[in-house]
Amino acid sequence: DAKTTQPNSMESNEEEPVHLPCNHSTISGTDYIHWYRQLPSQGPEYVIHGLTSNVNNRMASLAIAEDRKSSTLILHRATLRDAAVYYCILIPMNRDDKIIFGKGTRLHILP
Amino acid sequence: EPEVTQTPSHQVTQMGQEVILRCVPISNHLYFYWYRQILGQKVEFLVSFYNNEISEKSEIFDDQFSVERPDGSNFTLKIRSTKLEDSAMYFCASSGRATGTYGYTFGSGTRLTVV
Repeated sequence: DAKTTQPNSMESNEEEPVHLPCNHSTISGTDYIHWYRQLPSQGPEYVIHGLTSNVNNRMASLAIAEDRKSSTLILHRATLRDAAVYYCILIPMNRDDKIIFGKGTRLHILP
Repeated sequence: EPEVTQTPSHQVTQMGQEVILRCVPISNHLYFYWYRQILGQKVEFLVSFYNNEISEKSEIFDDQFSVERPDGSNFTLKIRSTKLEDSAMYFCASSGRATGTYGYTFGSGTRLTVV
């Protein structure tokens, strides 16, 4: 399975943008890039996913490098509620598979 | 927005007892999953379920565990004889497809405490 690499933790100030990086140098051409987050004492929550083009939704933006070997989750204006563990996960488009969680990036938001 | 619902939110049981954790996936989803998270550790995959049968299971999912979709709406995880090390948060998830084209929706979890 293709693996992802994320920093263990990051800090950001409230109301500032946050860029969470993810490296996936062995990504296959048929892998989707998914991001999930887990708020304290809650279940994982879908954030966004994409294949090649950048994606935007109400929660975040996903910037995908041209070679697809890395991606960045962008929170445009972080709030205290965005403090969570963020997971970058690859899921194939052409076969059934499950989500395997790594350690993710623990995002701390400073007031 | 559609939700995955899990009950109970917290269950305390004595070692050796059977427990059933219940989940109501999103109604038009076809793929169902159970995960667990021991306190302070990663979220771990237990089992995936599709078309009324297990499609994949992890090493954690041994003979003490079973899953069932008894009707058109519920999806249950049974632990036959609980051990202390089964204490964890258990999350149910569902998806319209199991490929990467769709996101997965998780429930809020059941905290299982075995004493």
